[in-house]
Amino acid sequence: SAVISQKPSRDICQRGTSLTIQCQVDSQVTMMFWYRQQPGQSLTLIATANQGSEATYESGFVIDKFPISRPNLTFSTLTVSNMSPEDSSIYLCSVQLGKLAKNIQYFGAGTRLSVL
Amino acid sequence: SQQGEEDPQALSIQEGENATMNCSYKTSINNLQWYRQNSGRGLVHLILIRSNEREKHSGRLRVTLDTSKKSSSLLITASRAADTASYFCATDARAGNMLTFGGGTRLMVKP
Repeated sequence: SAVISQKPSRDICQRGTSLTIQCQVDSQVTMMFWYRQQPGQSLTLIATANQGSEATYESGFVIDKFPISRPNLTFSTLTVSNMSPEDSSIYLCSVQLGKLAKNIQYFGAGTRLSVL
Repeated sequence: SQQGEEDPQALSIQEGENATMNCSYKTSINNLQWYRQNSGRGLVHLILIRSNEREKHSGRLRVTLDTSKKSSSLLITASRAADTASYFCATDARAGNMLTFGGGTRLMVKP
């Protein structure tokens, strides 16, 4: 398994500002993912964070709005830029431990974001 | 669109009763997983069932998979108040080891 520290756990932000969410893993992992969970909804994949290369974004998500960094195999950040109230959601990072672990994902505790 | 659709969307039972949640999906899979989420926190992996398996047990959890019907069920026996959470199925139909999550079932177990 993996221990994932995600911070901040929650924040209240003003419209037009940006927030950077950090995700730290206790072991080196190849695959890290960022999800958005809107109130009462399921998880939607934002992007796959690849170490040493650009993140791979899902349809409907763009780098200018959700820039991602992956400087090493244990850390990633997601920035929510130029926020609006529609960005109010829970943001989650997760990791996969490799092929032997199949594709089981381990999640951080999430960041609950409210935009006023 | 989501790969997995779950029903019911919400389920309320008394402690000690069994809870059954269902998940349907659309395309072929290698495996199907169930996750639990407490009150908007991170998800916790519960159990994985492979496409060549029909049933799997883990403690009070029993998962079935019917690939001909593209459906799975999660049974929690002898429920406890601490089982109150949202439960999501996830499939791996997409390439690149990515998961697609179902809509989730919100379970409330009343003491």
